[in-house]
Amino acid sequence: AQKITQTQPGMFVQEKEAVTLDCTYDTSDPSYGLFWYKQPSSGEMIFLIYQGSYDQQNATEGRYSLNFQKARKSANLVISASQLGDSAMYFCAMSLTGGFKTIFGAGTRLFVKA
Amino acid sequence: NAGVTQTPKFQVLKTGQSMTLQCAQDMNHNSMYWYRQDPGMGLRLIYYSASEGTTDKGEVPNGYNVSRLNKREFSLRLESAAPSQTSVYFCASSELKGTREKLFFGSGTQLSVL
Repeated sequence: AQKITQTQPGMFVQEKEAVTLDCTYDTSDPSYGLFWYKQPSSGEMIFLIYQGSYDQQNATEGRYSLNFQKARKSANLVISASQLGDSAMYFCAMSLTGGFKTIFGAGTRLFVKA
Repeated sequence: NAGVTQTPKFQVLKTGQSMTLQCAQDMNHNSMYWYRQDPGMGLRLIYYSASEGTTDKGEVPNGYNVSRLNKREFSLRLESAAPSQTSVYFCASSELKGTREKLFFGSGTQLSVL
């Protein structure tokens, strides 16, 4: 069965520092996609970044990068130069070929300190 | 730039009451979804509709029904609400491209069942 695990319920980071949010996944399907979504206190879900299982390079989107280690089945999100507005809940997610059943981890709440 | 619109934003029900959550998207997406979000459990898929005219169960379908009214609209119905259905509900849509199933979410419905 497919599964996403986020082991950090809460994280603190100082403003302007980098932070890594952990995500491990489990699937036997060789073709899959990994996502990170952000949920600010206002409640909406915002797409941050995507990594395909066959992508050779780690995905980057501005201050966000995905540290993809296929052999370890990990897809950690790295946020560089944290800002106060980065305080939010972050969800790691996985979709498989054929789609329609994206699964989510339990989430990590990030607190950015001034 | 409406994207995915869901109503209502808040609802309080008594046990046994029924209600329908409405969702509409204007991005011409084929696929639509209903998720529920509970603390510590991330988002779990209730039902999805891969295309107009089709619906399928997700991970937690019990107690819910759905209708894909047309390509734009996908509603979720609680026939006899139970306290266990207290949750935040999200509608989402996507256009599947391989494993890149980027989800676009509505703003959520906070439902309390007393």
